[in-house]
Amino acid sequence: AQSVTQLGSHVSVSEGALVLLRCNYSSSVPPYLFWYVQYPNQGLQLLLKYTTGATLVKGINGFEAEFKKSETSFHLTKPSAHMSDAAEYFCAVSSWFNQGGKLIFGQGTELSVKP
Amino acid sequence: GAVVSQHPSRVICKSGTSVKIECRSLDFQATTMFWYRQFPKQSLMLMATSNEGSKATYEQGVEKDKFLINHASLTLSTLTVTSAHPEDSSFYICSAKGINSNQPQHFGDGTRLSIL
Repeated sequence: AQSVTQLGSHVSVSEGALVLLRCNYSSSVPPYLFWYVQYPNQGLQLLLKYTTGATLVKGINGFEAEFKKSETSFHLTKPSAHMSDAAEYFCAVSSWFNQGGKLIFGQGTELSVKP
Repeated sequence: GAVVSQHPSRVICKSGTSVKIECRSLDFQATTMFWYRQFPKQSLMLMATSNEGSKATYEQGVEKDKFLINHASLTLSTLTVTSAHPEDSSFYICSAKGINSNQPQHFGDGTRLSIL
């Protein structure tokens, strides 16, 4: 079984400040991990993914995440927040063993960026 | 990057009508497509998984006769909400995935369904 927990349903940062969105997962098999961003009334856009290999993953828009197996975490970071980063962020887990690559989503974290 | 087109983006219709939503993968072959439902300020809830040429697999609690899914080709899946009622009003999102196991899902822009 797999599950995802996103700590904090809402995070607020100032423009230019560090962004840290937390994600912890549970998986009985090697996980594939994803971060998606959703803007209002839109679908999800992939920010980055981890499948195998390098544990520090760089994505689009300056975001990156680090897979830490010992901590079962996949936190999303960005050194300097921009106003355009305000959106809903979803962490998700899957695995090769899940038929069709079924995604299990966290509850989401709403990021607000203050000027 | 991979593009998934979902149509229509918004539908408003009367109670009792049926509504069809299309999901197309524009530049890759989608062996698997997923249909999600999202309530305001909530995460995505997987409704069903469809593989091209076979019957969809529905999640527990999702009525297969209410939400008809067809995946007739490698680029098109449809979701039909039959005899829609106000409680079916929601944001419906599709995603598509290629054959490789570590490929991510690519999402459509969603359909806002409002039943009056």
